[in-house]
Amino acid sequence: EDKVVQSPLSLVVHEGDTVTLNCSYEVTNFRSLLWYKQEKKAPTFLFMLTSSGIEKKSGRLSSILDKKELFSILNITATQTGDSAVYLCAVETYSGAGSYQLTFGKGTKLSVIP
Amino acid sequence: EAGVTQFPSHSVIEKGQTVTLRCDPISGHDNLYWYRRVMGKEIKFLLHFVKESKQDESGMPNNRFLAERTGGTYSTLKVQPAELEDSGVYFCASSQVSLFPGTQYFGPGTRLLVL
Repeated sequence: EDKVVQSPLSLVVHEGDTVTLNCSYEVTNFRSLLWYKQEKKAPTFLFMLTSSGIEKKSGRLSSILDKKELFSILNITATQTGDSAVYLCAVETYSGAGSYQLTFGKGTKLSVIP
Repeated sequence: EAGVTQFPSHSVIEKGQTVTLRCDPISGHDNLYWYRRVMGKEIKFLLHFVKESKQDESGMPNNRFLAERTGGTYSTLKVQPAELEDSGVYFCASSQVSLFPGTQYFGPGTRLLVL
């Protein structure tokens, strides 16, 4: 069975700190790895990673994938209170017959305090 | 561009009743997915439509769940009869059909509570 494990489950930091969120996976038929940010409602898309070693960056957020060691990290530098959210890691796999599905980790709850 | 929308945002029903959830995907997205998160667990895949066809329904828990997507636009997910363990947040996502990985965009979810 496909499995995605995120760590830590919960993290409390002060504004300005840098955080690293981890995601490891064991899946068959890997296609991509995605990071989402979930505040109150819809998970909002952050990054999609398909190739090892290529860093994706968006402002203070960045992410990288290691397909050999089967993990990804999400870095947030100079954290702000608005970064407080649950960060979800999901792996997209091909399930056959033209279908793709996401397997999610439990998420990391990040709380940034002033 | 409007995102994925879901209706209702919350629903509270009694065990044995029927509930129908609706999802409107992003316009032009042929892929539509249903996921569910029960308390304390991770979000789990339920099924995948390509246009009006069910491509993969391997995640559907049992035959009390029926998903439809007539006309290939919006989708409904009906639970009949609802049981206590069906409580959770039901998410819908959509993506474009593509040979390359297509980002799945999520709706805000419907929070279902079965009493």
